[in-house]
Amino acid sequence: QSALTQPASVSGSPGQSITISCTGTSTDVGGYDYVSWYQQHPGKAPKLMIYDVSYRPSGVSNRFSGSKSGNTASLTISGLQAEDEADYYCSSYTSSSINVVFGGGTKLTVL
Amino acid sequence: QVQLVQSGAEVKKPGASVKVSCKASGYTFTGYYMHWVRQAPGQGLEWMGWINPNSGGTKYAQKFQGRVTMTRDTSISTAYMELSRLRSDDTAVYYCARAPRGLGGDSYWYFDLWGRGTLVTVSS
Repeated sequence: QSALTQPASVSGSPGQSITISCTGTSTDVGGYDYVSWYQQHPGKAPKLMIYDVSYRPSGVSNRFSGSKSGNTASLTISGLQAEDEADYYCSSYTSSSINVVFGGGTKLTVL
Repeated sequence: QVQLVQSGAEVKKPGASVKVSCKASGYTFTGYYMHWVRQAPGQGLEWMGWINPNSGGTKYAQKFQGRVTMTRDTSISTAYMELSRLRSDDTAVYYCARAPRGLGGDSYWYFDLWGRGTLVTVSS
């Protein structure tokens, strides 16, 4: 069982927007602005898409955005493209002994 | 070129140990923390711990305490992760992942550069 809860799957058509949620507790997502999001294509290493809740690394499309409200963080992808089809993982710092927790991952399908 | 190059796939028997290497290039090795994350087949990501290449300090996830050792060799910009007393459920891809270091010396909590992963298979 993952510490952060994500939907198992989401889908959308090209050009549409989708949002992936990531729910934790006050000891992780809700307590710190240290949520990050990773994109992982099959057989590849994860790629950082969003860090510290809403910051985009250089080179990441501005179609990707992040936000947080209470214990739930969200990743929004606008103008869906076929290449966005991948698994997405959220991560957060946690004040528990393990330091970093991940969500279980969400499979995004572009219809 | 900024990259992390990991060692090749390993096959180990239950009870054995494995040591995975992660060679950094293109940036100052001691200026960033190195974290290790694993992913079992078809499963999600699991954080294992970090090493501060500058000081050698480490922090391990409680689940791996007593079985994992993270070290580094600054002369060759390489980090290592050794996992002992391997079990079949340790079969996974093991990633090294870089995290920026803050002004206070602590790790930032995101991973901006990843290695390609090392598959460790534990089987009798």
